[in-house]
Amino acid sequence: QVQLQESGPGLVKPSETLSLTCAVSDYFITSGYYWGWVRQPPGKGLEWIGSIYHSRTTFYNPSLKSRVTILVDVSQNQFSLKLNSVGAADTAVYYCARLGGSIVGGSYFDHWGQGILVTVSS
Amino acid sequence: QSALTQPPSASGSPGQSVTISCTGSSSDIGAYNYVSWYQQYPGKAPELLIYEVNKRPSGVSDRFSGSKSANTASLTVSRLRAEDEADYYCSSYAGSYDLIFGGGTKLTVL
Repeated sequence: QVQLQESGPGLVKPSETLSLTCAVSDYFITSGYYWGWVRQPPGKGLEWIGSIYHSRTTFYNPSLKSRVTILVDVSQNQFSLKLNSVGAADTAVYYCARLGGSIVGGSYFDHWGQGILVTVSS
Repeated sequence: QSALTQPPSASGSPGQSVTISCTGSSSDIGAYNYVSWYQQYPGKAPELLIYEVNKRPSGVSDRFSGSKSANTASLTVSRLRAEDEADYYCSSYAGSYDLIFGGGTKLTVL
């Protein structure tokens, strides 16, 4: 059973860069599937941020694309998220997840991390 | 890229059936059979209930079923139980490698 665990700072200052890592265990990232990030502002709905394959192919939410970078480190079996120029609207619980599906990029999230709350505040 | 539309709330009594709708457009739900549904308890990560419109992952109760008609997808919870009280989110592939979610529906078991 694949497991995912997010880690990173819980507090980021406005205009700085949010950086998170997702460690994957009990499954090798290089074995397949896309891996992605989803966020959820407090009391609100879910928003897909972007996804990556072990070959480093990436897909991003068009509304966040200019500020997002997702990277993969196969040697550490983990992938990461960087979101720059953050503001209060980026305060959210950030989840990493594995994507399933028969289409390129995946179409659903079948395994999720527990989530990490990141607050943007000075 | 617009979010899918879900009713903010739904409710039903134990033993009854409840259906939650998810309305999109001809560019997402209407164009692809890639609708998924998630259940989320407070403070917990979402869990996959339905994928590709009507498929259930191993371990998900057959009380949960999905369907689609034109630009609207639906999740039906049959034989309602107290443990079904949670938030439910729909999602759809929207083309160009884009994934969108609905705003969520809070299901209350009366």
